[in-house]
Amino acid sequence: RKEVEQDPGPFNVPEGATVAFNCTYSNSASQSFFWYRQDCRKEPKLLMSVYSSGNEDGRFTAQLNRASQYISLLIRDSKLSDSATYLCVVNMDTGGFKTIFGAGTRLFVKA
Amino acid sequence: DAGITQSPRHKVTETGTPVTLRCHQTENHRYMYWYRQDPGHGLRLIHYSYGVKDTDKGEVSDGYSVSRSKTEDFLLTLESATSSQTSVYFCAISESGQGAMGNQPQHFGDGTRLSIL
Repeated sequence: RKEVEQDPGPFNVPEGATVAFNCTYSNSASQSFFWYRQDCRKEPKLLMSVYSSGNEDGRFTAQLNRASQYISLLIRDSKLSDSATYLCVVNMDTGGFKTIFGAGTRLFVKA
Repeated sequence: DAGITQSPRHKVTETGTPVTLRCHQTENHRYMYWYRQDPGHGLRLIHYSYGVKDTDKGEVSDGYSVSRSKTEDFLLTLESATSSQTSVYFCAISESGQGAMGNQPQHFGDGTRLSIL
């Protein structure tokens, strides 16, 4: 089982749709969580951190469920410019901290 | 955007030649990382550094070496490049990280596209 798993997609949605991504992690000692966005042939960029109480940034909402060991990202009112790959990132304490990147979920938003 | 510069941005070279990639940061962050990204594998850690002259291996370190003689520079060397090392290489930095309480996110450079023929 991979330490961090994401649905690879692709997700194809129309403009204005709401789309949700989930990410599961295997290590219950995981400490911090992030969502990154990566455009084609570009570097990953931090989209948002994920806090225990859940957090929102405009159209984006991130949530953490420690009991079930997953994090989620909700995008409301999708824009064409949201088309990208979304990476789930988990910092795990495995007797020494390490950062694990999910393989990413591809999103296509169409007009 | 974080002040991270990777050079070169693109390189084509032949099997068996040495290659050095450079990562330069202006943020004075302690941690620096080298990743490779390949289709179907996502980002994989090659080596990382937690201070000047302090480095450690990641999950795919075979065939690669690194050096960090200054806080701002982290070099990745392929001593004798092979075609399997054709990839996109990303440098990243963070204030805290590997081996510590890694609550700070990593920030990435623009990447280097390396092709080995």
